[in-house]
Amino acid sequence: DTGVSQNPRHKITKRGQNVTFRCDPISEHNRLYWYRQTLGQGPEFLTYFQNEAQLEKSRLLSDRFSAERPKGSFSTLEIQRTEQGDSAMYLCASSGGRGGGDEQFFGPGTRLTVL
Amino acid sequence: RKEVEQDPGPFNVPEGATVAFNCTYSNSASQSFFWYRQDCRKEPKLLMSVYSSGNEDGRFTAQLNRASQYISLLIRDSKLSDSATYLCVATNDYKLSFGAGTTVTVRA
Repeated sequence: DTGVSQNPRHKITKRGQNVTFRCDPISEHNRLYWYRQTLGQGPEFLTYFQNEAQLEKSRLLSDRFSAERPKGSFSTLEIQRTEQGDSAMYLCASSGGRGGGDEQFFGPGTRLTVL
Repeated sequence: RKEVEQDPGPFNVPEGATVAFNCTYSNSASQSFFWYRQDCRKEPKLLMSVYSSGNEDGRFTAQLNRASQYISLLIRDSKLSDSATYLCVATNDYKLSFGAGTTVTVRA
């Protein structure tokens, strides 16, 4: 399967702990996006990268959130000092680059539960 | 105010029926529009793009009215497999703004 992959698929953590999620985009895509989706809502944009450069960050991304894409390939999203309100599905998507267009292809998501 | 507002439904229709629903967007600078489909606990998948001239893809027809900032989706001859949440999307640069989704259930 050469689609977008995300790990882990599920994460349960206690409030105050740090968590890190990984996204591997479709290999030829140069743009990578992070979204968050809570129950009954559509995905909300968090941030996006073109190659290794982080070009935009939503106001939803508080100081406890940090995202990286060090070599322009996979990306990580870290949440420090998790809060119960961080419980959500974290979706990664990719697009663009050689052979790619504007369509964003989503990964299966990481479901975070903060107890 | 949310950037994209949708009728949440649910729409509960029999097989073979036609169902239509719409959404509105608030950012007049939005450049592109899409309908995504999301099955329960799965990732969103692109259903179709939406053009000002209207476009069809099999049983699905999408319309865009830029003057009213209104987007619609019509599903003809509904199948059981059409049961899903349909997400309306407007874009600004590369950022997708999603509505909360319209739930459609097709019953036998």
